[in-house]
Amino acid sequence: ELKVEQNPLFLSMQEGKNYTIYCNYSTTSDRLYWYRQDPGKSLESLFVLLSNGAVKQEGRLMASLDTKARLSTLHITAAVHDLSATYFCAVLIYTDKLIFGTGTRLQVFP
Amino acid sequence: DADVTQTPRNRITKTGKRIMLECSQTKGHDRMYWYRQDPGLGLRLIYYSFDVKDINKGEISDGYSVSRQAQAKFSLSLESAIPNQTALYFCATSQPGDSGNTIYFGEGSWLTVV
Repeated sequence: ELKVEQNPLFLSMQEGKNYTIYCNYSTTSDRLYWYRQDPGKSLESLFVLLSNGAVKQEGRLMASLDTKARLSTLHITAAVHDLSATYFCAVLIYTDKLIFGTGTRLQVFP
Repeated sequence: DADVTQTPRNRITKTGKRIMLECSQTKGHDRMYWYRQDPGLGLRLIYYSFDVKDINKGEISDGYSVSRQAQAKFSLSLESAIPNQTALYFCATSQPGDSGNTIYFGEGSWLTVV
């Protein structure tokens, strides 16, 4: 059974601090997505990682993919309140079935 | 206007009633999806369609049916709604080769079954 696990499920962090969210998956895939969701809102695409070793950065967020370890990370640098949201990773299997992790709820406080 | 539009955005219905959620897109994508989100869980795939003549079951298709009326339209039906189908439903689209095959989501439809 395919599993996509995120760690931690909830993260409360102070502004200015750094932290990493982990996404482990249990089957072969060479495509991984990161999404952001604000409460009651749709999902906003953050990153699409297409190959082993891929690294993408946008502002204070950086995502990486290790397909051999079946691991992706989302690193937050110098967190700000606007980053408070729920972050999902999702793994693409069988040509376009996207399987989601349970999400990491991030709360950034002053 | 949103590229992926869902209607209705909110609906309360009674147990046993038939309810249809509609999705239309202006992105010209061939592939469309219906997902369901429950509190504390990620999104789970209900059905997906790679073109008008192609419909496939996802992880949790029981109790649901879909219709792909046109490339731009993909509707989800609950033939006889039950309370545990109360959830937030998302329609999504994608196109191979388009921006790394990014999947674009609609705004969501809140469905409450009482």
